[in-house]
Amino acid sequence: AQRVTQPEKLLSVFKGAPVELKCNYSYSGSPELFWYVQYSRQRLQLLLRHISRESIKGFTADLNKGETSFHLKKPFAQEEDSAMYYCALLTGANNLFFGTGTRLTVIP
Amino acid sequence: GAGVSQSPSNKVTEKGKDVELRCDPISGHTALYWYRQSLGQGLEFLIYFQGNSAPDKSGLPSDRFSAERTGGSVSTLTIQRTQQEDSAVYLCASSLAMGPAGSYFGPGTRLTVT
Repeated sequence: AQRVTQPEKLLSVFKGAPVELKCNYSYSGSPELFWYVQYSRQRLQLLLRHISRESIKGFTADLNKGETSFHLKKPFAQEEDSAMYYCALLTGANNLFFGTGTRLTVIP
Repeated sequence: GAGVSQSPSNKVTEKGKDVELRCDPISGHTALYWYRQSLGQGLEFLIYFQGNSAPDKSGLPSDRFSAERTGGSVSTLTIQRTQQEDSAVYLCASSLAMGPAGSYFGPGTRLTVT
């Protein structure tokens, strides 16, 4: 069965420090993974997807099939990065499985 | 409209009552998704619409839950005989084509069953 695990409910880092939000998945098929972000009082929105291999707002995420991970990283955290982050796995065409989310707080 | 809208934003209801939650997708978006976020849980997929049909209802937790979509636009999620465990934030998302990854999410409806 498919599963997305985000082991950290809360993560605090100081401004300028590196940040890594962990995501592990379990899926028998070919995974397609995403990171979504929800800033305070804003809507959930797509941050990045692994197939794009892009950097958004300084964040990157690499799919590691060997470790079944898709950790989100940023070398220097900013205060505006404080938000709720969700890792998601697309199974089939239509079903996004979300993790439980990690609340990132960047301390000034 | 500027984005996906949902109404009401908050709903408090007594156990056993029926509730209807509404989603207005972005105009022209053919795909529509409902998710539920319970306290401490991730977002849970409920149902997917392509146009007016629902090819994937696999996430509906029980037969008390149903949804419809009319005119390829507005969707209503109905919960009958609400239970306390139904308390959650219900999110709607829409996208231009099949595939939820590029969806735009609504603000959600917070349902509290007392």
